[in-house]
Order: sequence, then structure tokens, then C-alpha cells
Amino acid sequence: GQSLEQPSEVTAVEGAIVQINCTYQTSGFYGLSWYQQHDGGAPTFLSYNALDGLEETGRFSSFLSRSDSYGYLLLQELQMKDSASYFCAPRGSTLGRLYFGRGTQLTVWP
Amino acid sequence: NAGVTQTPKFQVLKTGQSMTLQCAQDMNHNSMYWYRQDPGMGLRLIYYSASEGTTDKGEVPNGYNVSRLNKREFSLRLESAAPSQTSVYFCASRDSGGKAGELFFGEGSRLTVL
Repeated sequence: GQSLEQPSEVTAVEGAIVQINCTYQTSGFYGLSWYQQHDGGAPTFLSYNALDGLEETGRFSSFLSRSDSYGYLLLQELQMKDSASYFCAPRGSTLGRLYFGRGTQLTVWP
Repeated sequence: NAGVTQTPKFQVLKTGQSMTLQCAQDMNHNSMYWYRQDPGMGLRLIYYSASEGTTDKGEVPNGYNVSRLNKREFSLRLESAAPSQTSVYFCASRDSGGKAGELFFGEGSRLTVL
């Protein structure tokens, strides 16, 4: 089976740095994706880690440790527009099946 | 470039009615997926299609059927709607030659079953 854990809510102020953790347990594992979703709209892809280590894309970075079944999303220089839900999603098969957690609601305050 | 297009965007059904949610992508992607999202539950995979002509069950397939009509289109059918199927439905597609964990989502179809 599959299980995912991420915090349900995180708050921070503009300009700050926030880290959203994700621990997972899946029957197969090929990598970890992160998605952003604003107000119930279409989820949008942020990053994908297939190997251990840090991937950086602008203000966002994502980290994976396969041995610990753990990853995190790091958001730097927070902006109000970063207020959204963030989902980690392990890829459990070669067919691209992703399992989504319940998501973390990030609120950025001015 | 439209990406992934879902119709209808909103629908209200009575218990027992049937309907089909349509999804089309214009990115020439091989894989397509149907997810549902309920408050506090994240996204759960209903069915997916790795390529034209193939479909497989996801986490919550009961009460649904799918058809991969061609490479572009992947429809989701509710034969006899139940209130438990009230949800937001997202269709997604993936480029098998692109980033392995990157799905492209439609804007969602909001279904209410009374």
C-alpha cells in the first residue's frame, strides 16, 4: 500500500524561507514530484527528483533521500502569490502513476 | 495551445443518473489519467491509460468506467451517480519522453450529485 505524510498547514511571512516535508511509503518508488494548486484550480508541476539530492528551480528547491523515504520542498523569498496548497507525489510505477498526499496549505502573510 | 481540456466544467446530477466527463489533450501525450479531489483528501487516482487502447484501475475505480477513444481523448463515465461521487474531477496527461513525474492537468470538472 501507500502512505504519505506532510504537514496540513504552514504559515510564513513575505521574504521568508519555508520547508515542506514529505515522508512516503509506496510499494514501488521511482521518484518524487511536487505540485502547486491555487484555490482548487489545476495542479501545476513544480519539480521532480529521481535521484538523491537537491534540485533547484529558481526560488524553489526540492530534496530527496531515497534511503529515508523523505523529501522536502524549499521555498525561498516567499511572495504572497505563493499562498497555495503544495502536494508531494511519489511516482510508484514506470507508467507514471503518481500518488498524491493530502497537501500542505501554505499561507504567506505580508 | 489549449493543453488539457475538460468538459463540462460544472454539472449537477440526481442520484442514479448517468453522465460522461470528457477530456482531450493536444500535446500528443501517450498517458492520460483521471483523478478526483475531495476536501481534505488530496487527489486520488481513478483510472489511467498508459497508451491508446489500454486502461487500468487506480486507487478508487468503483462506480466508474473509462474509454480511451483515441490518443487525444480519455472519457470518464458514471453509470449510476451516487452522492459519494460528488467531487472535483481532474484529467491529466503525461509525455512519456518528458520529465517522468510531470503531469499536465485540466481545469477540473465540478460534479454535484443530489
